Amino acid sequence: GEDVEQSLFLSVREGDSSVINCTYTDSSSTYLYWYKQEPGAGLQLLTYIFSNMDMKQDQRLTVLLNKKDKHLSLRIADTQTGDSAIYFCAESYNQGGKLIFGQGTELSVKP
Amino acid sequence: DGGITQSPKYLFRKEGQNVTLSCEQNLNHDAMYWYRQDPGQGLRLIYYSQIVNDFQKGDIAEGYSVSREKKESFPLTVTSAQKNPTAFYLCASSGQGRERELFFGEGSRLTVL
Repeated sequence: GEDVEQSLFLSVREGDSSVINCTYTDSSSTYLYWYKQEPGAGLQLLTYIFSNMDMKQDQRLTVLLNKKDKHLSLRIADTQTGDSAIYFCAESYNQGGKLIFGQGTELSVKP
Repeated sequence: DGGITQSPKYLFRKEGQNVTLSCEQNLNHDAMYWYRQDPGQGLRLIYYSQIVNDFQKGDIAEGYSVSREKKESFPLTVTSAQKNPTAFYLCASSGQGRERELFFGEGSRLTVL
């Protein structure tokens, strides 16, 4: 069935770039998403990419999509301590609007 | 401001009790969802509703029930049949936009004593 995989933890120094990776299985996904979750809160959409795109940039965020390898990445430039959170990759896999989420990557930014 | 409101934020339950988590949205969204979040497992879909008076089971519906009598409201009942109910529960809604962005509430943390 459909599956989305992420590594669970990433630790970086403040000012460095962070790269969070995700693999997915459903080649028919229309959109792929990155959500951010602050401690004890709900998720907020960071950015999304349409499946016919290779890259999308939005300020400090760069999303790369490799459809052949079913690999999605999120790069955060000049990572700040406020970027510490859990980041979820998600894909839409049918017409119903349901999303399949990865396990989430906990990003820790050290000063 | 428009958004999704979940209540209560924290809830404690004794074994054998049913509890109902509230989810209200004023975004005029047709679709609403309930997810369960456990550490290291991401979000798993419990139930979803694409229109009033209709809802479908998600991947882990056993031990849960929902209703959708109003567009704005999608309450979730955690029944005594749910064997491991301690978790963080997230409600979400989405509109008709092509990108199908989900808007989430702040979550409800249920602890079974």
